[in-house]
Amino acid sequence: AQSVTQPDIHITVSEGASLELRCNYSYGATPYLFWYVQSPGQGLQLLLKYFSGDTLVQGIKGFEAEFKRSQSSFNLRKPSVHWSDAAEYFCAVATSGGSYIPTFGRGTSLIVHP
Amino acid sequence: KAGVTQTPRYLIKTRGQQVTLSCSPISGHRSVSWYQQTPGQGLQFLFEYFSETQRNKGNFPGRFSGRQFSNSRSEMNVSTLELGDSALYLCASSSGQGGTYNEQFFGPGTRLTVL
Repeated sequence: AQSVTQPDIHITVSEGASLELRCNYSYGATPYLFWYVQSPGQGLQLLLKYFSGDTLVQGIKGFEAEFKRSQSSFNLRKPSVHWSDAAEYFCAVATSGGSYIPTFGRGTSLIVHP
Repeated sequence: KAGVTQTPRYLIKTRGQQVTLSCSPISGHRSVSWYQQTPGQGLQFLFEYFSETQRNKGNFPGRFSGRQFSNSRSEMNVSTLELGDSALYLCASSSGQGGTYNEQFFGPGTRLTVL
């Protein structure tokens, strides 16, 4: 069964600083990988996904993520964080050939200081 | 298009009671999935319905059940509530075509508190 680890429970950055959120997955075959964001009182919104091809994936809101098979990682990055990026971020993995039901990591809470 | 709507947004129940949550998917979407989100267990998949049939099921006890109507609206029911059922219940809809990825769109959730 697939699993996802987000090693950082909380990350604090200053507005304008760069951001990297870590995600490691466990799955035998090529995974389908996702990053979601959840703002307080809101549901999840898909930031980006990786299925195949270019390992650097561009998403919405200026986010990107890089798939590294050798490290089983799919880290999320943003070059300059805005206060509105403060939220909970979830990495997820799904298997191909099925209904793509994602297995989620425990989430990383992003705190942005002015 | 209107997004996924969930009702009610907040609910307080006592142990032993049952509860029904409702989800209206995006117009045209035929798949509805339910997730439970708790601080202890994180986000966990409950079940997925497509065209009124349960297509996938997560690892939850039989107290958790769901159904989908012909208009794709879905309900989930939890019987004999336990304190541990306190959670945010999220619904997500997608077009649901089998064998291919269809982006899920999430509703804001129903916050259930069991006292």
